[in-house]
Amino acid sequence: GQNIDQPTEMTATEGAIVQINCTYQTSGFNGLFWYQQHAGEAPTFLSYNVLDGLEEKGRFSSFLSRSKGYSYLLLKELQMKDSASYLCAVMDSNYQLIWGAGTKLIIKP
Amino acid sequence: TAGITQAPTSQILAAGRSMTLRCTQDMRHNAMYWYRQDLGLGLRLIHYSNTAGTTGKGEVPDGYSVSRANTDDFPLTLASAVPSQTSVYFCASSDSGTYSTDTQYFGPGTRLTVL
Repeated sequence: GQNIDQPTEMTATEGAIVQINCTYQTSGFNGLFWYQQHAGEAPTFLSYNVLDGLEEKGRFSSFLSRSKGYSYLLLKELQMKDSASYLCAVMDSNYQLIWGAGTKLIIKP
Repeated sequence: TAGITQAPTSQILAAGRSMTLRCTQDMRHNAMYWYRQDLGLGLRLIHYSNTAGTTGKGEVPDGYSVSRANTDDFPLTLASAVPSQTSVYFCASSDSGTYSTDTQYFGPGTRLTVL
């Protein structure tokens, strides 16, 4: 079967750095996405990786290793507004997104 | 730009009743999707449409139907609601062109409670 694993919850301190990991086993691979979802709101797109390596976008970076079935989302200079769930999703061979359950990130002052 | 709109925002429905959740996008995206999101689970695909006039079944299609008469609208119908359909429903769309990353953009969601 297809599976996306990510930690259920993480806690970090304002101003610090946090890394959220995602491992996947899917039938085929056509890209990996990270979304941010604040409580009670819709998921919003953060990043897309299809080739190995690091993609940087401001305070957020996303890394992919296809051979290891592994990605991480790195958040720097954490702000209170970064408190949210972060969803990892992989596009499979049928171009359908397989979603992880999400990582709830709690930021403490 | 409105992006994707969904209606209603929330609804309480008696079991056995029917209901249609509405979704409209103004981005001229060719693909549209319906997901449900339940606590502790990832988003699960109910139905999708790659282009107007075509639809397909996702991971959890039972009890739901969709239609795609035009590019902009993708309504989701529950013919006879059951309590297990209590969930938050998200509509999404993507531009699935040859040079597209197929990034999906989401509507604000409909919170449905079936009693």
